[in-house]
Amino acid sequence: DAGVIQSPRHEVTEMGQEVTLRCKPISGHNSLFWYRQTMMRGLELLIYFNNNVPIDDSGMPEDRFSAKMPNASFSTLKIQPSEPRDSAVYFCASSSASGGALETQYFGPGTRLLVL
Amino acid sequence: DAKTTQPTSMDCAEGRAANLPCNHSTISGNEYVYWYRQIHSQGPQYIIHGLKNNETNEMASLIITEDRKSSTLILPHATLRDTAVYYCIVRSRGSNYQLIWGAGTKLIIKP
Repeated sequence: DAGVIQSPRHEVTEMGQEVTLRCKPISGHNSLFWYRQTMMRGLELLIYFNNNVPIDDSGMPEDRFSAKMPNASFSTLKIQPSEPRDSAVYFCASSSASGGALETQYFGPGTRLLVL
Repeated sequence: DAKTTQPTSMDCAEGRAANLPCNHSTISGNEYVYWYRQIHSQGPQYIIHGLKNNETNEMASLIITEDRKSSTLILPHATLRDTAVYYCIVRSRGSNYQLIWGAGTKLIIKP
């Protein structure tokens, strides 16, 4: 199994530019999570999808952030316009939630974003 | 979900057992104890989880006290590659997707 795949692994951009982060979950998993990690705030859940539907986006910091999951094998997290305070490592994770059972979340390698 | 308390950092000699404690005194009956670790520059990695019985897998053992107010993750023969931040998380069926991450324990394995 290839695991969760994220791209790009590193992104450097200038303030005001649009940034798109991509995630391919583990095949067969029906839950997908986007997290952000910073030194100050640790790991924070941004949004959670189940069966391609956003279930909880309460962690999305503001309207500049948006996430989509057009199909079971692909999700994007977009920041537009980007700001220096968005600099962080963004992780995607997936799990095979089934009927409320506690399923393990498997994380991708992350995208390191630096906004200048 | 219940909160957890972990030491900020720990050292362990290579080849020895690493014992990482976690306090979760407010844990409720339907909450599981999960352990993840994060090696530098990588995504968090699942290690093990349990409800009330001790658990063991190829990576580690989890010992949960009888009152369930604390637990210990045991890495039986620590290697340098086990240097990482270890997170103890309690999680209930009611919030089956939420993982509330604390600061974790920075475990340093020394040669």
